[in-house]
Amino acid sequence: DVKVTQSSRYLVKRTGEKVFLECVQDMDHENMFWYRQDPGLGLRLIYFSYDVKMKEKGDIPEGYSVSREKKERFSLILESASTNQTSMYLCASRERGWEAGELFFGEGSRLTVL
Amino acid sequence: GQNIDQPTEMTATEGAIVQINCTYQTSGFNGLFWYQQHAGEAPTFLSYNVLDGLEEKGRFSSFLSRSKGYSYLLLKELQMKDSASYLCAVRDGDYKLSFGAGTTVTVRA
Repeated sequence: DVKVTQSSRYLVKRTGEKVFLECVQDMDHENMFWYRQDPGLGLRLIYFSYDVKMKEKGDIPEGYSVSREKKERFSLILESASTNQTSMYLCASRERGWEAGELFFGEGSRLTVL
Repeated sequence: GQNIDQPTEMTATEGAIVQINCTYQTSGFNGLFWYQQHAGEAPTFLSYNVLDGLEEKGRFSSFLSRSKGYSYLLLKELQMKDSASYLCAVRDGDYKLSFGAGTTVTVRA
């Protein structure tokens, strides 16, 4: 059974703190993604990685960075958390190749920044 | 930019049929996806269309018209467990999926 695991389901942080969100997949997928999901806005792509040590900006990268040192792990970093980064964060992975279809999502990490 | 529109909410009765429309205007097109997301859970894949026409998978069907920038997801013989959000997504390049805001479907007994 395929699995994308996000390290924390719920986090509460203070403004200015550095936040790490970890994601691990066990499917040997090349591509990994970080989205945030907000009511009325849907899922918006923050960053993605098409291979180890590779990263590309998505639609809303400001205030975020990522790290992909190993194929199975993709980390999202908030260098200095702000209240407008309160959101649900979803990690996803898929196989390489445009013809490969579906994304496999983790359960999500709900971050609250006070 | 990408523009993907779908209705915010729909309500239907158990056993009925519901059609969720999705229109899109994107810079590229490499396929359209539908995902289901139950409250508090991860989205799960339902269907993928890259060519025009209807794809049927059990009680769920998905249709695509690329010339019209239009898709719909048809849910037949509705069950209570079908109450969820349904997300339309377009792949506009090799990697990126752009999502609509989602349609919340409520099934009533």
